[in-house]
Amino acid sequence: AQTIHQWPVAEIKAVGSPLSLGCTIKGKSSPNLYWYWQATGGTLQQLFYSITVGQVESVVQLNLSASRPKDDQFILSTEKLLLSHSGFYLCAWSHREISNERLFFGHGTKLSVL
Amino acid sequence: AQKVTQTQTSISVVEKTTVTMDCVYETRDSSYFLFWYKQTASGEIVFLIRQDSYKKENATVGHYSLNFQKPKSSIGLIITATQIEDSAVYFCAMREVGAGNTGKLIFGLGTTLQVQP
Repeated sequence: AQTIHQWPVAEIKAVGSPLSLGCTIKGKSSPNLYWYWQATGGTLQQLFYSITVGQVESVVQLNLSASRPKDDQFILSTEKLLLSHSGFYLCAWSHREISNERLFFGHGTKLSVL
Repeated sequence: AQKVTQTQTSISVVEKTTVTMDCVYETRDSSYFLFWYKQTASGEIVFLIRQDSYKKENATVGHYSLNFQKPKSSIGLIITATQIEDSAVYFCAMREVGAGNTGKLIFGLGTTLQVQP
């Protein structure tokens, strides 16, 4: 069975500090990977997607970057946090090339920027 | 432009009754997929049910079913025999076939369901 693990569970960071969030997918080779962001009480918005190692596409510009250093790992980062980065970050995966396939979400990381 | 609208901010029902949540969508694609997810209090997002635009039959999974009205661009979620554990935020989402590998889901704002004993 496939599992998705996100870390950390929660972070409290200062404005201007760096950030690194990660997720790992086990039990599934070559998944499509995604980062979503949810403002408190808000909807989910896709930030990045990746279909293969080393290839990441940005969907919205939020002064964040993402990388996929390994087939099963997806990293979200920034060098300087903004207050607007606060929210809930969700990593997700799906089977490749199955357009009607559901997304499998991780448990998320709650980020508070102070 | 792609858009998903959930007009009901919150709904409260009594346990064991049936609830319907509304969702309308906008798309230029002739083929698309519609999903319902729920977000529990812990933040976990759980897939519930999917409707493919080319299918006329309404999807049903367990006590979840859909009311797909394509001419009205509407995809309502029906939960029968509600349970306390169904209390959550329910999101309607759409993916266009044209989205390809982006996997991009357009989510609505969500409807909070509270099931009372």
